[in-house]
Amino acid sequence: NAGVTQTPKFRVLKTGQSMTLLCAQDMNHEYMYWYRQDPGMGLRLIHYSVGEGTTAKGEVPDGYNVSRLKKQNFLLGLESAAPSQTSVYFCASVVFGGSYNEQFFGPGTRLTVL
Amino acid sequence: GENVEQHPSTLSVQEGDSAVIKCTYSDSASNYFPWYKQELGKRPQLIIDIRSNVGEKKDQRIAVTLNKTAKHFSLHITETQPEDSAVYFCAARISGGYQKVTFGIGTKLQVIP
Repeated sequence: NAGVTQTPKFRVLKTGQSMTLLCAQDMNHEYMYWYRQDPGMGLRLIHYSVGEGTTAKGEVPDGYNVSRLKKQNFLLGLESAAPSQTSVYFCASVVFGGSYNEQFFGPGTRLTVL
Repeated sequence: GENVEQHPSTLSVQEGDSAVIKCTYSDSASNYFPWYKQELGKRPQLIIDIRSNVGEKKDQRIAVTLNKTAKHFSLHITETQPEDSAVYFCAARISGGYQKVTFGIGTKLQVIP
């Protein structure tokens, strides 16, 4: 099993450009999450999904959109990138059921917006 | 929503000494407290967790304690080794919240050989 994978690993954008980050998991997990990680701020939840076709806002959703058309994929979109979106983005997934389930993280995408 | 505070933000210890990282949470409905270790350039990985019905849990050199009354939980690493150098995140999860967790800001631990 590959676990949780993210594409791309690195990206440099100019202000105003758009892009989509792809997260894929092969563990049949229901729940998926997008976080951003900034120095001194920990991991902050952007959006999450509790199943195919569902999405919900997290702590810092502004400037991002998401889609979960297939259970194994969770896409994060930036329609018009801004320098404030320079960050490391992590995707994570969790199995459905039970009360104490580990979040499995992807390797991250380092995004720089100039 | 839940708020998790973590300190210190940086911690340096001599190899072989102990390290303690402390966290507090705000929502008494939180019932699960995982700790993640993130090595430089890598993804966060779960190292230990504790549930609200348990006061302490150990796994070799690491242990976690929970004080529900005070809403405090702590990570203890004994006999530290250079490979323990990393950023450690505490987190808290509210019951029934679609497994969402709120993370602390992280503690950068440096173990000096």
